[in-house]
Amino acid sequence: QVQLQESGPGLVKPSQTLSLTCTVSGGSISSPGYYWTWIRQRPGKGLEWVGYINYSGTTYSNPSLKSRVRISVDTSKNQVSLKLGSVTAADTAVYFCAKYSGDYAYSDSWGQGTLVTVSS
Amino acid sequence: QSALTQPPSASGSPGQSVTISCTGTSSDVSGYNYVSWYQQHPGKAPKLMIYEVTKRPSGVPDRFSGSKSGNTASLTVSGLQAEDEADYYCSSYAGSNNFVVFGGGTKLTVL
Repeated sequence: QVQLQESGPGLVKPSQTLSLTCTVSGGSISSPGYYWTWIRQRPGKGLEWVGYINYSGTTYSNPSLKSRVRISVDTSKNQVSLKLGSVTAADTAVYFCAKYSGDYAYSDSWGQGTLVTVSS
Repeated sequence: QSALTQPPSASGSPGQSVTISCTGTSSDVSGYNYVSWYQQHPGKAPKLMIYEVTKRPSGVPDRFSGSKSGNTASLTVSGLQAEDEADYYCSSYAGSNNFVVFGGGTKLTVL
């Protein structure tokens, strides 16, 4: 079972860019058939899919966030990165990274999540 | 507003069974056999409990089962135990426009 660990600033100012990194250990990020996905959870709310990417860089994002989201992969470091631009208080959330089966549409390995607060 | 509709709460006594519903549309739940269910305890990451509508990952007790009929998927927890008290989320593949959608979550209380 792979392990995933999110990292990045816990506080971002409004209108700036949120940047997070997910480091994968115990397995290769280049495994065929898998996507590395970002999911967020606003305080007290449900889960929201942000987007995902595979090892070759094929990426898809939530249509509601698409214009602000950039997801990238660094196979040499076994890392996936998320950038969310022009943030507002509504982007305050716990951000999880997870391993997603592209063939069967489920996430069976999750990071612990990291809280990002958008505030001046 | 979540793409999939779940009841906000459900409850049952130890040993009883409880079923949580998840209603979608032909673009997600009924369009694909890719419904999954996640359990989330407070402050923790979600844990996969069911995938492909009915399949259980290794290590998940067989007290947890999934099904689907039309636009509605269901998670049944039999023989409720105290540790089953958690939030439960359904998710479905939603095609090449929306890809992944979640329900709003159901808080399961073991009385």
